[in-house]
Amino acid sequence: GESVGLHLPTLSVQEGDNSIINCAYSNSASDYFIWYKQESGKGPQFIIDIRSNMDKRQGQRVTVLLNKTVKHLSLQIAATQPGDSAVYFCAENAEGYQKVTFGTGTKLQVIP
Amino acid sequence: EAGVTQSPTHLIKTRGQQATLRCSPISGHTSVYWYQQALGLGLQFLLWYDEGEERNRGNFPPRFSGRQFPNYSSELNVNALELEDSALYLCASARGGRASTKNIQYFGAGTRLSVL
Repeated sequence: GESVGLHLPTLSVQEGDNSIINCAYSNSASDYFIWYKQESGKGPQFIIDIRSNMDKRQGQRVTVLLNKTVKHLSLQIAATQPGDSAVYFCAENAEGYQKVTFGTGTKLQVIP
Repeated sequence: EAGVTQSPTHLIKTRGQQATLRCSPISGHTSVYWYQQALGLGLQFLLWYDEGEERNRGNFPPRFSGRQFPNYSSELNVNALELEDSALYLCASARGGRASTKNIQYFGAGTRLSVL
């Protein structure tokens, strides 16, 4: 069936470096994408979203890039900090689909 | 403003028993979503309630059920518990309506269900 997946299950990054977390999706009808951050013992927290009519969206220290041609989504975190250590999920929704589908997650480890 | 609250935090049951999990959405949100998160895995969609009605359910057996109350709080019931039901159950709320799946979901901290 349709699914959202991630290329890397674990990503280790040096503090201060930039992080890039990737996500592939298979539903070509998906038109809304969201990134969530889940810290240990907490529920997922919204980071940033993007609609399919955009290629890029920026937030505070985060940027989401959407490549609809290859059905790829990425989250870039600038100047990664220890507090960024968490599991990151991408999620997608397609018009008419009555649910949001989450990927399996990527664990980001920040090395001090 | 209070976020999404879930109770209990932890729940320990034995196989065959029933579990009831509760969720209170953010004030003003009418949509409630339930997800199952098994250890080390992603979120699996369980149920979506909006305005008191079930809008969609995921690929789970009928022993997973729930309801939404007039105040938009929600219950998830799991009957005839099995060992593989052990997981973190997350509730999220969002602004409601048919476009609810395009609205940001705000999550509670979850209920950790352990089935022995």
